[in-house]
This record gives sequence, C-alpha cells and structure tokens, in this order.
Amino acid sequence: GNSVTQMEGPVTLSEEAFLTINCTYTATGYPSLFWYVQYPGEGLQLLLKATKADDKGSNKGFEATYRKETTSFHLEKGSVQVSDSAVYFCALLNSGGYQKVTFGTGTKLQVIP
Amino acid sequence: NAGVTQTPKFQVLKTGQSMTLQCAQDMNHEYMSWYRQDPGMGLRLIHYSVGAGITDQGEVPNGYNVSRSTTEDFPLRLLSAAPSQTSVYFCASSYSPLAGGRITGELFFGEGSRLTVL
Repeated sequence: GNSVTQMEGPVTLSEEAFLTINCTYTATGYPSLFWYVQYPGEGLQLLLKATKADDKGSNKGFEATYRKETTSFHLEKGSVQVSDSAVYFCALLNSGGYQKVTFGTGTKLQVIP
Repeated sequence: NAGVTQTPKFQVLKTGQSMTLQCAQDMNHEYMSWYRQDPGMGLRLIHYSVGAGITDQGEVPNGYNVSRSTTEDFPLRLLSAAPSQTSVYFCASSYSPLAGGRITGELFFGEGSRLTVL
C-alpha cells in the first residue's frame, strides 16, 4: 500500500537558519506529492505540490523536488522565520483509482528568535 | 468566505454516548472526507465520499458511520463512543476536475473538532 515517512521532530532552529525536512514515500505508479502545513489551532493547508518526477514545487520560500529515483520529496527553505513555526505534513495521492490522500506523521518546526 | 465549517469545535462525551460531528462546505466540492489526527500517527482517513449518495471506507472506519445526502454536508456519526476515539477530527473537501471525477489531491480542511471520550 501507499505510505509516507517523515523525519521525526520536533525540529528547533534559530531564525534565518536553513531548513530541511526529509520525506520519502512508497507507492505504485506515479503519485502526486504534497506538503501541507498546520499552524497552531488551525486545520491543514496546502503549502506546495509536484505532480511528476523532477517537478519542483515552491511557495512562500519553501521548495521541494519530486525525486522518483530516491522516492523522496524533501522540504527546504533557505532562511526560516519565527512565523514558519508549525507542523509540516508530507502527503501523496496515488495515480490509480483510489481517491485517498495519504499523510505522513508530521514534523513540528519551532523557530526561535 | 466560509470554506469548510466543522461543528462543534470541542466536545466531551461519556463512553457509550452517541454524537454527530457536522461538516459543511460551500465550494461545491464533490469530494469530502474525514480524518482523525493523533499524536505520533499523523492523519488517518476514516471515510470519504466522491459525491452525494456515495461513501467509502478509509483506513480506520470502525466505530464511525457517514452519509452524504447533499453535496454540501458530510456528517460523521459515532454510535457508541469509546475512549480510543478521543482525537482531533478534520473534515476536508476537494474539487474533482480530472477525468472520472478524480481529485487533484489539494484538500481544503476545516479547523477541526476536538473530541474527548471519558
């Protein structure tokens, strides 16, 4: 079946540090890949996505590249801000008929001034 | 600009009680789903619906019922609550622009309902 594995958190960084959150996946076919973000007390919202191999998704300074050869979709940001403190979820949607988005366990990021 | 609305936001139940979590969306999305969020386990799919009158099970459907009589509403029913159902529940919807009514994977979430079963 489909699965998503994320690095364990929490991740604590100082403001302006470089961020990487690792994500690998298992799926048949050619899934679409996503990063969602959950700010405290809120629901999840889509941060970025990539629908095919070598695509790069980007938004709000965050980037992730769909690497089929390593089945990875790592999230990066060059300079984090306190306002980036949140929980980040990697997710996939299989290209087959099943209409189910599978999420990883989430990685909590705390950015300190 | 309501989007996905969940009620109630907080609820405390006793073991064996029943209740319904409400979810409504005003974006005319065909696809709706319910997830539960537990520490260390991320989000797990309970049930989903690809349109009015059509529902299907997710990963963890036991103890929950759903129905979809309208495009807008997708209530989640707990018939006999158990402490293991203590969790935060999220409703999410999506439009289905692809062939065969398939979704793109971009889900729109409600703010969540925190349920405690004593």
